[in-house]
Amino acid sequence: DAKTTQPPSMDCAEGRAANLPCNHSTISGNEYVYWYRQIHSQGPQYIIHGLKNNETNEMASLIITEDRKSSTLILPHATLRDTAVYYCIVRGANFGNEKLTFGTGTRLTIIP
Amino acid sequence: DAGVIQSPRHEVTEMGQEVTLRCKPISGHDYLFWYRQTMMRGLELLIYFNNNVPIDDSGMPEDRFSAKMPNASFSTLKIQPSEPRDSAVYFCASSSGTGWAGNTIYFGEGSWLTVV
Repeated sequence: DAKTTQPPSMDCAEGRAANLPCNHSTISGNEYVYWYRQIHSQGPQYIIHGLKNNETNEMASLIITEDRKSSTLILPHATLRDTAVYYCIVRGANFGNEKLTFGTGTRLTIIP
Repeated sequence: DAGVIQSPRHEVTEMGQEVTLRCKPISGHDYLFWYRQTMMRGLELLIYFNNNVPIDDSGMPEDRFSAKMPNASFSTLKIQPSEPRDSAVYFCASSSGTGWAGNTIYFGEGSWLTVV
């Protein structure tokens, strides 16, 4: 699976949009971009994933660049409960690549 | 729907004792994963199963660790004998392989293990 690069930490004011970047320059054509987050003391929580089109769900939006070498997770109206470590993961789409390989993620702190 | 259920949530044991962690995956899921999280190493995959068969156990640290999945609704991770360096949070996760490309892995709340 391709490696990802994320900033180690970010701050965002409560109520503003949080934009979390991720670089995955070695991504291959059949690899998906996944985002998970982990709130302190809890299990990782799925947020969103995409292949090449932008995606949106009730939690967030995922913007993937046209060359697919980077992406941005957007939390539109951040709340204090969004304080967590956010993981960007690239995952293959064939047998033997079912696992998720976690990096160090971005520690997002929402500031009141 | 019930999520992935793990037990015990917290366990403190003495070095040398056997530890058994349990997991019930989401009903209908055919993949089950065991992860371990420590401050030093982060989240790392230990082993995963498909249809109760181990697919990749390359992350299992040593022979003291073993995992089984006797049926589709139950898995165990056993450490015998336990050592202080095994202290960590152990997460179980499951997913469905149906149309798996782009499917989602769901995690349990973890089992916090302390070996003294």
